[in-house]
Amino acid sequence: GNSVTQMEGPVTLSEEAFLTINCTYTATGYPSLFWYVQYPGEGLQLLLKATKADDKGSNKGFEATYRKETTSFHLEKGSVQVSDSAVYFCALSSGGYQKVTFGIGTKLQVIP
Amino acid sequence: EAGVVQSPRYKIIEKKQPVAFWCNPISGHNTLYWYLQNLGQGPELLIRYENEEAVDDSQLPKDRFSAERLKGVDSTLKIQPAELGDSAVYLCASSLGASRNTGELFFGEGSRLTVL
Repeated sequence: GNSVTQMEGPVTLSEEAFLTINCTYTATGYPSLFWYVQYPGEGLQLLLKATKADDKGSNKGFEATYRKETTSFHLEKGSVQVSDSAVYFCALSSGGYQKVTFGIGTKLQVIP
Repeated sequence: EAGVVQSPRYKIIEKKQPVAFWCNPISGHNTLYWYLQNLGQGPELLIRYENEEAVDDSQLPKDRFSAERLKGVDSTLKIQPAELGDSAVYLCASSLGASRNTGELFFGEGSRLTVL
C-alpha cells in the first residue's frame, strides 16, 4: 500500500535559518504529492503540491520538488520566520485524488 | 466563504458512553472525509463519502463507529461505546467531487475527544 515517511521532529531553528524537512514515499502508479501545514489552534491547510515527476510546488517561500528517482518530496525554505512555526505534513494521493495518505508530521519551532 | 465547520471542539466523556461529532463541509463540496489523528501522528482515513454514499469505509471500526451523511451535505460520526483508546482528534475534511477534484482537502479545526 501507499505510505509516507517524514523526519520526526521537533525541528528547532533560529529565525532566517535554512529549512529542510525530508519526505519519502512508497506508492503504486504515479501519485500526486502534497505538503500540508497546521498552525497552532487551526486545521490543516494545503501549503503546496506537485502532480508529476520533476514538478516543483511553491508557496509562501516554501518549495518542494517531486523526485521520482529518489521517491522524495523534501520541503525547503531559504529563510524561516517565527510565523512559520507549525506542524508540517507530507502527503500523497493516488487513484484520482481519492485516497490521501499522510505522514506523521514534523513540528517546526522557529525562535527569534 | 465559510470553511469546514466541526462541533464540538472538545469533548470529555467516561468510557462506555456514546459520543457524536458533527461536520458541515464547504458548500458545493461533494466529497467528505472523516480522519482520526492520534497524538504525534498524521491523519488516518476513517471514511470517505461521495455525496451521500460511503465509498471507502474500510478503516472504520464498525463494531463501535458509525457515520452518516443523509442528504449529502453535513455528516455525523458516532462512537458507541467509547473506549479509552478512542481519545484522539477527529478531523473532518471536504473537497470538490471526483470529476473536479484538484487534490486539495479542506479541513475543519477538529474535535478533540478525551475518554476517561
